[in-house]
Amino acid sequence: EPEVTQTPSHQVTQMGQEVILRCVPISNHLYFYWYRQILGQKVEFLVSFYNNEISEKSEIFDDQFSVERPDGSNFTLKIRSTKLEDSAMYFCASLSGASSYEQYFGPGTRLTVT
Amino acid sequence: QQPVQSPQAVILREGEDAVINCSSSKALYSVHWYRQKHGEAPVFLMILLKGGEQKGHDKISASFNEKKQQSSLYLTASQLSYSGTYFCGTGSGGSNYKLTFGKGTLLTVNP
Repeated sequence: EPEVTQTPSHQVTQMGQEVILRCVPISNHLYFYWYRQILGQKVEFLVSFYNNEISEKSEIFDDQFSVERPDGSNFTLKIRSTKLEDSAMYFCASLSGASSYEQYFGPGTRLTVT
Repeated sequence: QQPVQSPQAVILREGEDAVINCSSSKALYSVHWYRQKHGEAPVFLMILLKGGEQKGHDKISASFNEKKQQSSLYLTASQLSYSGTYFCGTGSGGSNYKLTFGKGTLLTVNP
């Protein structure tokens, strides 16, 4: 069964460093998302991406964040200068959009900023 | 605005039933239910669309009351594997289908 994959599973970085989280959505899906979940809290929407551009972003997704779909299969989230409060689980999700509205989540990347 | 889930937590014995509720102050187009086990990704359970029918599979079903902007998830004859945190995600029907999640309901099923 097709699934969303994410790498790395765990990333430890120092405050101020740049990180790139990678996702491979389900092929033939058209909509892509990043969500984050701070430990013990709810899942929060960060950004949605469709047709090679951001379609919506939350207030969390400030100038330090960017997304890219560089090669038609990968979908990346970059944090330019990480802060302690960026420590969270980051989930990528994808949605078909062809009369199907089910979002499938990847296994997540645990980001720890020290 | 995030949907409100209730109860926050529930403890069951294997074989008992549970209902988890999700309500929103905004008009809803869709309600999505996920189950998340500790340290894992949310797993899609089912989606209910505005104007659609009640969904279910096996012993888990859900309803969507569009007028009240509420959804309920029904777990019958619970199994140990049902333990986890249940999240409802609501979609307002925008063109990007983004979801807004509630804070979750922690379900614990004991033998």
